[in-house]
Order: sequence, then structure tokens, then C-alpha cells
Amino acid sequence: GQNIDQPTEMTATEGAIVQINCTYQTSGFNGLFWYQQHAGEAPTFLSYNVLDGLEEKGRFSSFLSRSKGYSYLLLKELQMKDSASYLCAVRSYSGGGADGLTFGKGTHLIIQP
Amino acid sequence: DAGITQSPRYKITETGRQVTLMCHQTWSHSYMFWYRQDLGHGLRLIYYSAAADITDKGEVPDGYVVSRSKTENFPLTLESATRSQTSVYFCASSELGQQFPGELFFGEGSRLTVL
Repeated sequence: GQNIDQPTEMTATEGAIVQINCTYQTSGFNGLFWYQQHAGEAPTFLSYNVLDGLEEKGRFSSFLSRSKGYSYLLLKELQMKDSASYLCAVRSYSGGGADGLTFGKGTHLIIQP
Repeated sequence: DAGITQSPRYKITETGRQVTLMCHQTWSHSYMFWYRQDLGHGLRLIYYSAAADITDKGEVPDGYVVSRSKTENFPLTLESATRSQTSVYFCASSELGQQFPGELFFGEGSRLTVL
């Protein structure tokens, strides 16, 4: 089976930086994804890591360490619109094709003025 | 417009009734998925499909039936709805290949209440 852990809730200040951690246990690891989900809306894709290291995309960066089963999402220059849930998801390749992503329960990020 | 659409967006039904949630995508993606999202559980995979006429169970398939006769459609049927199936259901699609990491594109969700 797979197990994905991330904090339930975090609070940060507008303009600051926040790091959301995700740890996972899986076999046949084949990629880690971060999604953003605003309340009442569908998740939207933020980033993808399959190799170790940092991927940067504007204000958002995502890091992966496969040996540690660890990833983080870094959000810089926080804006009020960044208040949302952030979902960590892992894809495992079973050999029979691309299975669906397994999601963590999400981290609810609250941005304060 | 291209995209992935779900219908109905909101549905209230009674225990024991059959309900079908529709999902249609215009990208010709090979893969389609159904997830349910519940407080405290996050997104959980119900069923997925790698191509037309190919479907497979996910983490929580009991009580659900899917079909995929055409690439663009992937309906989800609750044969006899139960209160525990009250949830928000998301359909998603993806494509895999050297140029595509396989991220999921989600529909807007169908909010189902079973009384």
C-alpha cells in the first residue's frame, strides 16, 4: 500500500515564505505531484517531480528526495489568494499501466494579512 | 470549449436509488479516473480506465460501476445509493508520454447527497 503524510493546517503571513512538507511510503515510485485546491473548487496542477532536486516555477518550488521519501512545496511572496488546500500526490507504477495518483489528505494553508 | 465536464453538478437522491454521474472530456486523453473527496479522507480513487473498454478498480470501488464505451465518456453509476456515498465526486483525465508527466486534469466536481 501507500502512505502519504502532510500537515493538516498551516498559517502564514502575506508576503512571507511557507514550506509544506510531504512524506510518503510507496513501492514502484513514479512521480510526485502537488495540487492546489481552493474551497469548493477542483484541484489544479502545480508541480511535478520524478528526479531528486528542486523544480522552480515562479513563486512556487517543489523539492524531492526519493531516498528519504520526502518532498516539500515552497511558496514565496505569499498572497491572500494562496489561501487554499495543497495536496501532495504520488504515482506508483505497477507494471500494468499508469495507475491513478494517491493523494495525501491535504494541507489547509491560511494566509493572514 | 475543450476540457472535462461533469454532470450533474449537484444531486440529491434517496437511499436505494440508482444514480449516474457523467463525465466527458474533449482532449482525447487515454486515461480517465473517478475520485471521491470526503472530509478527513482526502481524494480517494474509485475506478480508472486506461482506454475505451478497459477499466480497473481503485481504492474504494464497492458500490460503484463504471463503463467506457467511448474514449471521451466515463460515467460512474451508484447502483443502490447509500448515505455513506454522500460525497463530492471528481472526474479526471490524463495522458502519459515523454512530453507528458501524467498530471491529472479535474472536472468541476459533482456534489452528491444521499438522504
